[in-house]
Amino acid sequence: TQLLEQSPQFLSIQEGENLTVYCNSSSVFSSLQWYRQEPGEGPVLLVTVVTGGEVKKLKRLTFQFGDARKDSSLHITAAQPGDTGLYLCAGGGSSNTGKLIFGQGTTLQVKP
Amino acid sequence: DSGVTQTPKHLITATGQRVTLRCSPRSGDLSVYWYQQSLDQGLQFLIQYYNGEERAKGNILERFSAQQFPDLHSELNLSSLELGDSALYFCASSETTTGTTYEQYFGPGTRLTVT
Repeated sequence: TQLLEQSPQFLSIQEGENLTVYCNSSSVFSSLQWYRQEPGEGPVLLVTVVTGGEVKKLKRLTFQFGDARKDSSLHITAAQPGDTGLYLCAGGGSSNTGKLIFGQGTTLQVKP
Repeated sequence: DSGVTQTPKHLITATGQRVTLRCSPRSGDLSVYWYQQSLDQGLQFLIQYYNGEERAKGNILERFSAQQFPDLHSELNLSSLELGDSALYFCASSETTTGTTYEQYFGPGTRLTVT
C-alpha cells in the first residue's frame, strides 16, 4: 500500500517566520501535487511537480520534488496570516486510474 | 472557482435515512472522484468514475454507491445513514486518467450532518 507521510502535522508560527513542510514516501510517483484547504472549503491546487529535482516557486512558496520522485517539500518564506490553512500533498501515477494518494495534511497557523 | 459544482452545500438528516449528493465536473473533464473528509480521518478516497464507468474503488462502504451519467455528472448515494457518516464529502474531476500530471480539481463540498 502506497503512503505519503507529511510532517509536521501541526505548525503554529508567528508572522514573518519561515517554515518547511515535508511529504515523504517509499514509493515513486509520476507527479506530486500540493493543495491548500481552508475550513469548510474544497482543496485548491497550488502546484504540480513532475520531474525529479524540480523546483517551482509561487510567490513566497517554494516547492521541490526529490531527485528520486519519492518525496517533496513546501517552503514558505515570511509567512503571513493569510497562509493559514491545511496543506495536503498528493502523489499520482501509482496506477492507470488517475487516482491520487493523499498525505494526512499539515495544519498551519500563522499568528499576526 | 475550480469549475466543479456540488449540491447541496449542507444536508441535515436522521439516522437510517438515504441521501443523494450531486456533482458536476469541470467542462471537458471525463473523470470524477468522490472523497470523504472527517476530522479524525483526513481526506479519504471513496470511488472514481471515468466516462460513465467505475475505474477505482477506495474505502467505500457497501451502504454507499455512486454513478456517472452520460452528461458526466455524478451522484453519490448514501443509505442507512449512521452518526459516523457525518462528514464533508468532496467531488473532484480531472481531464483524463493517464498522463504525467494527475491534477484533480475539487468542488466546494457537501457537509452532511446525521442526527
